[in-house]
Amino acid sequence: NAGVTQTPKFRILKIGQSMTLQCTQDMNHNYMYWYRQDPGMGLKLIYYSVGAGITDKGEVPNGYNVSRSTTEDFPLRLELAAPSQTSVYFCASSYIVTPLARSSTDTQYFGPGTRLTVL
Amino acid sequence: GQQLNQSPQSMFIQEGEDVSMNCTSSSIFNTWLWYKQDPGEGPVLLIALYKAGELTSNGRLTAQFGITRKDSFLNISASIPSDVGIYFCAGRRDYGQNFVFGPGTRLSVLP
Repeated sequence: NAGVTQTPKFRILKIGQSMTLQCTQDMNHNYMYWYRQDPGMGLKLIYYSVGAGITDKGEVPNGYNVSRSTTEDFPLRLELAAPSQTSVYFCASSYIVTPLARSSTDTQYFGPGTRLTVL
Repeated sequence: GQQLNQSPQSMFIQEGEDVSMNCTSSSIFNTWLWYKQDPGEGPVLLIALYKAGELTSNGRLTAQFGITRKDSFLNISASIPSDVGIYFCAGRRDYGQNFVFGPGTRLSVLP
């Protein structure tokens, strides 16, 4: 298994440009997540999905959009890039059988990240 | 939103020394996770804790779920150069809720 893969690894955007960060997982996980990591800060949740066709906002969703048409893919879209979106973006996935109960498998597996700079 | 604090922010230790770091929250959590992030990589799960007082080991790493349920601790024994990286804690208040991540502890190991 490749696990969670992300493309591209690096990208430089100009203010106002748009782009899509790709994320794919081959572990048949139902949950997928997008985080951003700013220097010296913890991961902040942007959006997440509990399954194909279902997405929900996280802590910092403004300026981003997501879709989940398949179990494997969870792309993150930036429509009008702003300097404040300069960050490292991580995609993650997990398999949660019973969301309201303890599960030893509900931990998250992360991709290698996409480093985005907006100038 | 909820915040986790990690201490220390960074530390420099000699190879072979033991390391201790902690994570605190103002809220009670029912799950604690510890991740390690190598440079240029995504975080990798080290240890998961699900019960107050729980002590769990993974090789030279040992983590504990604090009795108050507002903190967690990670210890690394006999550090080696490959222990270098950023260690993140993550916690959640209840099942079905998303995890909150701490800012990380950056560990440097001097030969």
